[in-house]
Amino acid sequence: GENVEQHPSTLSVQEGDSAVIKCTYSDSASNYFPWYKQELGKRPQLIIDIRSNVGEKKDQRIAVTLNKTAKHFSLHITETQPEDSAVYFCAASRAFGNQFYFGTGTSLTVIP
Amino acid sequence: ETGVTQTPRHLVMGMTNKKSLKCEQHLGHNAMYWYKQSAKKPLELMFVYNFKEQTENNSVPSRFSPECPNSSHLFLHLHTLQPEDSALYLCASRDSLGVNEQFFGPGTRLTVL
Repeated sequence: GENVEQHPSTLSVQEGDSAVIKCTYSDSASNYFPWYKQELGKRPQLIIDIRSNVGEKKDQRIAVTLNKTAKHFSLHITETQPEDSAVYFCAASRAFGNQFYFGTGTSLTVIP
Repeated sequence: ETGVTQTPRHLVMGMTNKKSLKCEQHLGHNAMYWYKQSAKKPLELMFVYNFKEQTENNSVPSRFSPECPNSSHLFLHLHTLQPEDSALYLCASRDSLGVNEQFFGPGTRLTVL
């Protein structure tokens, strides 16, 4: 089955700096990679996703890059703000598959 | 947000109790999921239902029993749980016809005494 690894497990950055979270996956058939943000006491919510037919996707301060050859994808947050503080999860899935494989999460703290 | 709702939000039960968790989605999705979220661990998939049929059961102990009477409702029946079953139980739904995201409910915080 698929194995998703996520690093780092904790990350602290100064407000305004960038944050990068990396994930690797093992199943070359995986082709959908969502990123979820979970604030304390709240549900995970999708913030950005990427499909294997593109290498990069951007939405304002958030971007995701995908390297299919190396089987890794990364979340980039620029100009971080205190409200970006949360736990971020990556996941991998196959198209038309029902299973989502999640990473262990990264606790991001943005220091004002 | 009311797309995926879960009740109760908090539950405390003894090891000999029987209780049920309920999930309801109003998004017209056809796949529903139960996840267990424990501290310092990734989200653990427990069960998947697609068009009311169970498609995944990730070696979950029989003290957890899912039920999916229709595409909008999902239950998790609990009996004779252990303290290590204390966790946040998250329900999610998804349109399984294509590459589509999951939408999560707010979760039920379960404590087993």
